[in-house]
Amino acid sequence: SQQGEEDPQALSIQEGENATMNCSYKTSINNLQWYRQNSGRGLVHLILIRSNEREKHSGRLRVTLDTSKKSSSLLITASRAADTASYFCATDVSDTGFQKLVFGTGTRLLVSP
Amino acid sequence: DTEVTQTPKHLVMGMTNKKSLKCEQHMGHRAMYWYKQKAKKPPELMFVYSYEKLSINESVPSRFSPECPNSSLLNLHLHALQPEDSALYLCASSGGRTYNEQFFGPGTRLTVL
Repeated sequence: SQQGEEDPQALSIQEGENATMNCSYKTSINNLQWYRQNSGRGLVHLILIRSNEREKHSGRLRVTLDTSKKSSSLLITASRAADTASYFCATDVSDTGFQKLVFGTGTRLLVSP
Repeated sequence: DTEVTQTPKHLVMGMTNKKSLKCEQHMGHRAMYWYKQKAKKPPELMFVYSYEKLSINESVPSRFSPECPNSSLLNLHLHALQPEDSALYLCASSGGRTYNEQFFGPGTRLTVL
C-alpha cells in the first residue's frame, strides 16, 4: 500500500496549546498537502508544500517537509476548540499527468476549552 | 462559487437496487474525483476524470460506474452493491490557478442493506 502513516492517531490538548502531527510516506512525491475533515464531512485543503520546499507557513499553520526522511509535520499554534477535527496528509504521487493523492491514516485532534 | 455539491446527503439501498450519486461544481475545474471513505479511515481514490474523460480507475469493481456528462457534473452509478460498500462517498474537483488543491463536497453517506 502507498498509504502514508500519521502519528499520533489521536491527540487531545487544551485551547491555547500547540498541536503537532507527523506524516511519513513511502514513495517520491510531487508535493504534500494537508487537509482537515470535520466529523463525517468533506475535506478542506489547508496547505501545500512542494517537494523542493522545506517549510511553509499559513496563519497558525506551519508545515515542514523532509524528503530525505520522507516525512512531514503540521504544527497548529494557539489551538482553538474549532480546530477539533481529523487531519490528513496527502501525497501527490501522480506520474501520468493526472493528480493522484494518497492520504495518510489521519490524526484525530480534540481541543478542549 | 468555490463549492462542490453532492446529492443525496444520505442514501440507503438494498443490494438489488440501482441508484446514482451526483456531484456538481461551477469553478471551471477540469478534473473531478470520486473517493470512498470508511469510518475512521482515510479517503481512498476510486476514479479521476480529466476533461470529461476517465483518466484513472483504481481497480474499482464494476458495480460502481462513473459518468461525466459535462465539465460541471460527475455521477456515480451504483448497482448490485454489497454491505461492505457502505461508506462516505466524496467527490472533489481541482483546476485553475490552484490546480493542485482539491475542493471536496460534503459527501454522500451510503448504507447498503
